[in-house]
Parts: sequence; structure tokens; C-alpha cells
Amino acid sequence: GIQVEQSPPDLILQEGANSTLRCNFSDSVNNLQWFHQNPWGQLINLFYIPSGTKQNGRLSATTVATERYSLLYISSSQTTDSGVYFCAVVITGTASKLTFGTGTRLQVTL
Amino acid sequence: GAGVSQSPSNKVTEKGKDVELRCDPISGHTALYWYRQSLGQGLEFLIYFQGNSAPDKSGLPSDRFSAERTGGSVSTLTIQRTQQEDSAVYLCASYRGGNNSPLHFGNGTRLTVT
Repeated sequence: GIQVEQSPPDLILQEGANSTLRCNFSDSVNNLQWFHQNPWGQLINLFYIPSGTKQNGRLSATTVATERYSLLYISSSQTTDSGVYFCAVVITGTASKLTFGTGTRLQVTL
Repeated sequence: GAGVSQSPSNKVTEKGKDVELRCDPISGHTALYWYRQSLGQGLEFLIYFQGNSAPDKSGLPSDRFSAERTGGSVSTLTIQRTQQEDSAVYLCASYRGGNNSPLHFGNGTRLTVT
């Protein structure tokens, strides 16, 4: 099956810093989504981004499908950004099973 | 409803008992997923429904696990003869399908098998 790897696995930032999270995948995909799981366990969809670039406030994401990676940028980080960030993909031509990556655990400190 | 609803939110059961977990997806969402998340771990795919059929149930860990969906809406995940290793948070998600259709998660059911 498809391999979805995220890096770094853990990240500690001071409030106000910027960061880049990476998602590499091993096969062609037609669906890629980024999620944030907050410390209370809630999973929130951040971006649906199978290709191209999107921005939403302090967050932006870029997917380069031909090179099989996606990046999530967090600017001016806040303590509320803490949690685990997951990317998830669907292999092109499959029955739409969304496969999740290993996650990046982010802690933003004061 | 406004979001994906799961019940119960917490379930404690004795080893060997059967449990049923319920998921009520967002109205009109044709696709429904069940995932499992153990403490500090990632999301483990269990089963995917498109309408009432399950084109991919490859993630169900054993024949003690089963799921159904009726009326293209509510889904039930049943675990028979629960074991301690079944303890986890069981997450349900739904989406409308088609392009630009994000996945929406419920708050999960935390299952503890004693």
C-alpha cells in the first residue's frame, strides 16, 4: 500500500516562530488533506489540496503532486497551534480510502 | 445535524462483552469512514462505506469487528468479545464526495476494556 511519511515527527517552537511541515507519499494521489488534532483529540480539516497552493490566515499549504510531497506552513505560531498535524491521501484510481501519515507533533511555547 | 455525531462518547466494558458504537454522519454525505486511534498513535483505517456498501473493509483487525450502514446514513461498528487491546478512540468521519470535499470527523468514542 501507499506510504505516507511526515517530518519532523516532533517540533517545539517559541510563540511567533514560523515552521514548515512536510508530507511525502509514495504513489500518485488525487486527494490530499491536512488535519490538525488539538490536545483534546478533535480532528479539524485544514486544507483539501491535491495540487497547488492555498492559504487560510496564518496557515498555507502547497502540494507538488508530480514530486509526491506537500508542505504545510505555519507563520507567527501561537500556543493554540499545538497538537498533531496529519496529512492524508487517496491513491489515484482507488476506492477512495484516505490513508493517514504518521503525524507531526507540534508544541508551541510562550 | 451540523456535524458528525458519535455515541457514546465514552464506553467502559469488561473483557469478553460486546459493544456497539454509533456514527451519525452529516446529512447528505455519501462516504463514511471508521478509524481507530490508540494513545499517542496515528489513525488506523478500519472500514469505508460508500452509501450502504463497504468497498474497503481491509482494515478490520479481526472477525470480531463488523460494521454496517443503513439508509445511507447511520453506521454502527460492533466489536464482539472485546479484548484489552481493543481499547482506543474510535473515530468516524464523513464527506460529501467529489472534488474539494473535505473529510469531517466526529469527536470519537473512547473505548476502555477492563
